[in-house]
Formats: sequence, structure tokens, C-alpha cells
Amino acid sequence: KAGVTQTPRYLIKTRGQQVTLSCSPISGHRSVSWYQQTPGQGLQFLFEYFSETQRNKGNFPGRFSGRQFSNSRSEMNVSTLELGDSALYLCASAPGQGSAYNEQFFGPGTRLTVL
Amino acid sequence: AQSVSQHNHHVILSEAASLELGCNYSYGGTVNLFWYVQYPGQHLQLLLKYFSGDPLVKGIKGFEAEFIKSKFSFNLRKPSVQWSDTAEYFCAVNAAGGYQKVTFGTGTKLQVIP
Repeated sequence: KAGVTQTPRYLIKTRGQQVTLSCSPISGHRSVSWYQQTPGQGLQFLFEYFSETQRNKGNFPGRFSGRQFSNSRSEMNVSTLELGDSALYLCASAPGQGSAYNEQFFGPGTRLTVL
Repeated sequence: AQSVSQHNHHVILSEAASLELGCNYSYGGTVNLFWYVQYPGQHLQLLLKYFSGDPLVKGIKGFEAEFIKSKFSFNLRKPSVQWSDTAEYFCAVNAAGGYQKVTFGTGTKLQVIP
């Protein structure tokens, strides 16, 4: 089975711009979670989608949004980028009923740099 | 809301030394617990998990962790580390029941010196 894929792998944007990141989960997984990883902060939970519905949301401003499509692919969008948004954004998919009950499988991440 | 503390940010060991990485969580109810590892240049992957049953959990590559409910801890152990264990280790927790988010610790970087 192919693993979790994320595109693009690297992005450079300037402050005030917006960005859309994409994640394709492992085939058959209906749960997709997004995390922001920064040095010293570990992984900060952004949101989890399950069968096109947002199941959980982390403590991030409304500039961070996401969605999931009927084929379980997910996108996250960050509007009005700030310097502090520079990070590695990780996507993870999980089988069955999702991350609360199962192992998560992580993608390689998208490295976002905001200048 | 739950939280996770990993007190060791950076650990350096010689090969064959024993390893114990601390993980404490704060949540009053029943929890599910995980350890994930990120090897250099690789994706995060699951080392082991605890949902219920025997509090001593064995994972891949000789790792194990013990859930001590009274101490709110889930420490990771390995009796003899190898250079290939050099990686960053993350503890994670979520409240059991329902569909609660998974909260990760800040990670511990382990460097094993040959």
C-alpha cells in the first residue's frame, strides 16, 4: 500500500499570502489529522477530519482551516500568513474509527517558510 | 484537556547503555498512550501503544513502556541502545472513549554514540 503523501514538500511564501497544502491518506483510511511541528514545540494538533466532517480542532486561529473530500483526501489552508507560521506541517491518516482508536500513519510533511 | 510532558529534551548515550525516557501526562480519566519515533530523514512511526490490559507494553526494535496510572507516567525503556536508535521520540496521549484528539509531547532527541 502506498503511504501518506503530501504536496508540495516545500513552500516559500511571504507574509500576508495564503497557502493550501494537500494530503492523500493511505487507501481505505477515512481519518486525516493535521499537525504543526516546530523545534521545541513538538507536534501541535490542528484538526482531524473523518468522512468529510471535522471531528476535532486544536487551538489555532481561524486563519487555519481545512477540509476533506469524499475520496478522503484533505487540504489545509492558511490565510494571511505570518512569520510564526513557518513550520513543518504533517498529515497523518488512521484506519477504522480514526486516531483516537488506532495508530496514525504520518506523511513526510510540507516545509513552509514564511518570509 | 490533556497535556503531555517529556522532561528530557536531549539525551546522549553510548551504545549498549540502557535507556529510559520519561513521559508524564495530565488527565484525570482513562487514557490511550503512544510512543512515536522519528528517525533522521524518515516519517514519524509508531513504536508502541497502550489502550488497556497489561501495563507493560512491548513495541518494535526491543522497546517497551510501562503505564503507571498512579504516577500518570508512560516511560519508554530499552535495555541496550544501538547507534541506529538515534532519533527523536514523542510521547502522545488521548482521552479514551469518544473521538478525542491526540496530544503529543515536545519530543526527546536521543543521540547514541558508537
